[in-house]
Amino acid sequence: AQSVAQPEDQVNVAEGNPLTVKCTYSVSGNPYLFWYVQYPNRGLQFLLKYITGDNLVKGSYGFEAEFNKSQTSFHLKKPSALVSDSALYFCAVRDMLNDMRFGAGTRLTVKP
Amino acid sequence: GAVVSQHPSRVICKSGTSVKIECRSLDFQATTMFWYRQFPKQSLMLMATSNEGSKATYEQGVEKDKFLINHASLTLSTLTVTSAHPEDSSFYICSAVAGPPGEQFFGPGTRLTVL
Repeated sequence: AQSVAQPEDQVNVAEGNPLTVKCTYSVSGNPYLFWYVQYPNRGLQFLLKYITGDNLVKGSYGFEAEFNKSQTSFHLKKPSALVSDSALYFCAVRDMLNDMRFGAGTRLTVKP
Repeated sequence: GAVVSQHPSRVICKSGTSVKIECRSLDFQATTMFWYRQFPKQSLMLMATSNEGSKATYEQGVEKDKFLINHASLTLSTLTVTSAHPEDSSFYICSAVAGPPGEQFFGPGTRLTVL
């Protein structure tokens, strides 16, 4: 069965600095990888996905993620963080046969 | 992109009552919908997979008699929390699968508070 791990519960960065939110996955076969963001008391908002193709995926709000097959990672990145990026971020993985499995989430706090 | 709605967005009920939550795919047909539950500061946990025209598949530890799921049409799935108790208070999120390769689109969630 597929699984995903987000090793950091909390990430703190200063506004304007680059940010990275880590994600590693385990899946049999080719993975479909996703990043979602959740603001308080709201549903999930899609940021980006990797299905196939270029390992560097660009998504919404200036976020990008790099698929690294050898390290089974899909870290989320942004060159310059904004205070408004502060939220809960979920990495998710699924294959063609199964539902989506989510990581535990990483709370990103961007300080002015 | 595809839109999934949930109704209601927020509900408060008394212990022992039943609550129905609707999940609709607004601009696409979804043969499969998923129901998730999220506790405060935790990740989403899959509760069940809802397939149109057949019985839902429940994850281990989820009581099917307590969380009734009906996928009556290709655009509507309902989750009924029967005889709700305070420990059922949570954020419930549905998602619907649209076309190949089966990308999931998520509803905005329903906050259930059981007094």
